[in-house]
Amino acid sequence: DAMVIQNPRYQVTQFGKPVTLSCSQTLNHNVMYWYQQKSSQAPKLLFHYYDKDFNNEADTPDNFQSRRPNTSFCFLDIRSPGLGDAAMYLCATSRPGDSYEQYFGPGTRLTVT
Amino acid sequence: KNEVEQSPQNLTAQEGEFITINCSYSVGISALHWLQQHPGGGIVSLFMLSSGKKKHGRLIATINIQEKHSSLHITASHPRDSAVYICAVSPISKLIFGTGTRLQVFP
Repeated sequence: DAMVIQNPRYQVTQFGKPVTLSCSQTLNHNVMYWYQQKSSQAPKLLFHYYDKDFNNEADTPDNFQSRRPNTSFCFLDIRSPGLGDAAMYLCATSRPGDSYEQYFGPGTRLTVT
Repeated sequence: KNEVEQSPQNLTAQEGEFITINCSYSVGISALHWLQQHPGGGIVSLFMLSSGKKKHGRLIATINIQEKHSSLHITASHPRDSAVYICAVSPISKLIFGTGTRLQVFP
């Protein structure tokens, strides 16, 4: 089945220790998104890629970076995680021809100790 | 004022009840999405609408473009329907999310 996969599902990192979350998709979608979702809040878009074009949201901290080496994979790098970065990180994909309907991965829950 | 407003914020129901969740938006859109998120879980897309009505099993979604309003209905609710239901709109490539409706269905 075509899908969006996120690894790992749970990640624990130490304060200040860099961490990378990964997302892969078998849908061959042009657009990939990274969202941060804190408890009882709506997802907050961090950035998205349209093919190789990177689009950063204005209020995304510099601490958050992303890489998309090919269509299938996208990575979220948190350079120096703080306690406030503990959250669920959601990856999603979409395709312009589908009115940008978004397909979400299961998320990675990040804990910062 | 949020661009996407949902009501109610919290909803409890007895199993078997008919449930309605409402969504109003204030921006021009290409589509409206209803999403479901179980506690601690990822997000599942239930519907994407640009006009009219869609039905999938016990779920029905309607949209009135002129009034900028959508409703999600659940018929014969079941405890497994307990989740957060999120309305989101897409002006173009990004989603603008509502704050969600937390639904609990008791046996």
